[in-house]
Amino acid sequence: DTEVTQTPKHLVMGMTNKKSLKCEQHMGHRAMYWYKQKAKKPPELMFVYSYEKLSINESVPSRFSPECPNSSLLNLHLHALQPEDSALYLCASSQDTRSNYGYTFGSGTRLTVV
Amino acid sequence: DQQVKQNSPSLSVQEGRISILNCDYTNSMFDYFLWYKKYPAEGPTFLISISSIKDKNEDGRFTVFLNKSAKHLSLHIVPSQPGDSAVYFCLGSSNTGKLIFGQGTTLQVKP
Repeated sequence: DTEVTQTPKHLVMGMTNKKSLKCEQHMGHRAMYWYKQKAKKPPELMFVYSYEKLSINESVPSRFSPECPNSSLLNLHLHALQPEDSALYLCASSQDTRSNYGYTFGSGTRLTVV
Repeated sequence: DQQVKQNSPSLSVQEGRISILNCDYTNSMFDYFLWYKKYPAEGPTFLISISSIKDKNEDGRFTVFLNKSAKHLSLHIVPSQPGDSAVYFCLGSSNTGKLIFGQGTTLQVKP
């Protein structure tokens, strides 16, 4: 298995909802990442997990809460989002944070906040 | 602060010709550079990378050149094929695990 699987592919949520994005990989990678991509912009790093510990938080608002329950799973919990949070959320993994050519990206979750 | 810059938003090339995509960077801490390509509704996929201690890396039709003194790199695709039409991202990587994307260049290869 050489893929990063993200679910759901599409999500519409209200501003008072609580929802979660899920990311899974079975390549034995120990670094996992969340990126946010707005239309016509490059992906922007949100969080980095290394060996299941949060190692980088790029000053992301607390309404986004990441969780890494085990080495294969990465979740992004969403609460009280704003319409401007609507974007494509990409998950990626790599062998470790020094893996300079082994970053594998999922297809993303298209999130719409109404 | 745009640490990785791709100043050409788009590029159009005839099939069979060379495509040259350019990238500049400002962060001297980057020690690896990567090129990814992205089709609509898909995640980015890895193309080729280069270490900051090298000046060239080649893989089939794809060659990346690095000019460290100019903080500039370029991706050459030859010959270009219609299936190469996609958005190409240049990325800089540092030892902190940060992978920083450029703005992307949309390549169109015309048959």
